[in-house]
Amino acid sequence: KQEVTQIPAALSVPEGENLVLNCSFTDSAIYNLQWFRQDPGKGLTSLLLIQSSQREQTSGRLNASLDKSSGRSTLYIAASQPGDSATYLCATHEGGGADGLTFGKGTHLIIQP
Amino acid sequence: DAGVTQSPTHLIKTRGQQVTLRCSPISGHKSVSWYQQVLGQGPQFIFQYYEKEERGRGNFPDRFSARQFPNYSSELNVNALLLGDSALYLCASSHGDVRQAFFGQGTRLTVV
Repeated sequence: KQEVTQIPAALSVPEGENLVLNCSFTDSAIYNLQWFRQDPGKGLTSLLLIQSSQREQTSGRLNASLDKSSGRSTLYIAASQPGDSATYLCATHEGGGADGLTFGKGTHLIIQP
Repeated sequence: DAGVTQSPTHLIKTRGQQVTLRCSPISGHKSVSWYQQVLGQGPQFIFQYYEKEERGRGNFPDRFSARQFPNYSSELNVNALLLGDSALYLCASSHGDVRQAFFGQGTRLTVV
């Protein structure tokens, strides 16, 4: 059974810093990996989707990388802003739809003004 | 275009009651999935439906059931509610069963 772990559980940094969030998974036979953002009490906003054949995806100040062989993904946020404060979740999909997405517990990020 | 819409946004029920949650997917999306998120945890997969057929089921008791309608909207039903069913219930839609998932704002269910 797939297990997804996110480190750190919480992170607080000053505005303007570049930062990296980590995601690891136990079963490397994934179909894709997705990063989401969640604001308190709200739904999930999809940030980036990386297919298993891809190494990275970029959207604005966000860059996500995937290393299937080592079971790791990172989300890089450049020039952080207070509006980036949220919980960031990664999730893997093993394909076939039978098990849906497997999520980590998330990294709670606070950007200090 | 409208995103994934869920109703109601908040709900309070008493133990033992039954509840129905509703989800409308993004136009053109044929797959709908349901997730349960308790405080401090990542979402847990409950069901996936694609083209009106159940494609996957997570590790939830038979009190949980769902269906998808011809217009691809979906309902999640929970019978005999327990206090532990209190959670944020999230619906996601996608073009296919393994494509990028887009989530609604969720339904906050409180069981008292």
